[in-house]
Amino acid sequence: EPEVTQTPSHQVTQMGQEVILRCVPISNHLYFYWYRQILGQKVEFLVSFYNNEISEKSEIFDDQFSVERPDGSNFTLKIRSTKLEDSAMYFCASSGAGSRSYEQYFGPGTRLTVT
Amino acid sequence: QKEVEQDPGPLSVPEGAIVSLNCTYSNSAFQYFMWYRQYSRKGPELLMYTYSSGNKEDGRFTAQVDKSSKYISLFIRDSQPSDSATYLCAPYNYGQNFVFGPGTRLSVLP
Repeated sequence: EPEVTQTPSHQVTQMGQEVILRCVPISNHLYFYWYRQILGQKVEFLVSFYNNEISEKSEIFDDQFSVERPDGSNFTLKIRSTKLEDSAMYFCASSGAGSRSYEQYFGPGTRLTVT
Repeated sequence: QKEVEQDPGPLSVPEGAIVSLNCTYSNSAFQYFMWYRQYSRKGPELLMYTYSSGNKEDGRFTAQVDKSSKYISLFIRDSQPSDSATYLCAPYNYGQNFVFGPGTRLSVLP
């Protein structure tokens, strides 16, 4: 069964450093998403991406965040200068086109720890 | 009023019990109502969804939507210890983004 994969599973970084979180969405999916879940809190939408551009972003997704689809398979989230409050689980998700666009499939997440 | 609310639990039930998980929402534009299951330190897993009001059954799981009262329910029959997880409701409509509820933590005791 196809699945979304994410690397690394755990990333530890120092405050102010840049991190790149990587995702490989399901191969025939066209919509890609990043979500964040701070420990013990709800899953929060960050950004959606379609046709090589951002389609929606939340207030959380400020100038320190960026997304890219550098090739036909990877989808990345970059945090330019990490803050302590960026520590969270980051989930990538993907969905198909048209009527299936609401069926989002999530990856296992990357746990980001900023020290 | 929060956009999506769920009783956080934890809800503890004995194996074999019928479980009722509930969710309320405020935005009447939502048309699709998703239920995700999240095991500890894992990604949310799409369990099932319904469109508009009504019921949908999938094995031991039944999702129910009452749009008039903005109330969503997920019923689990013959609950199993493997059902122990956090259940997230996520109402949705085209052109909007998923808004997840905070989740209800369920523990099914053997």
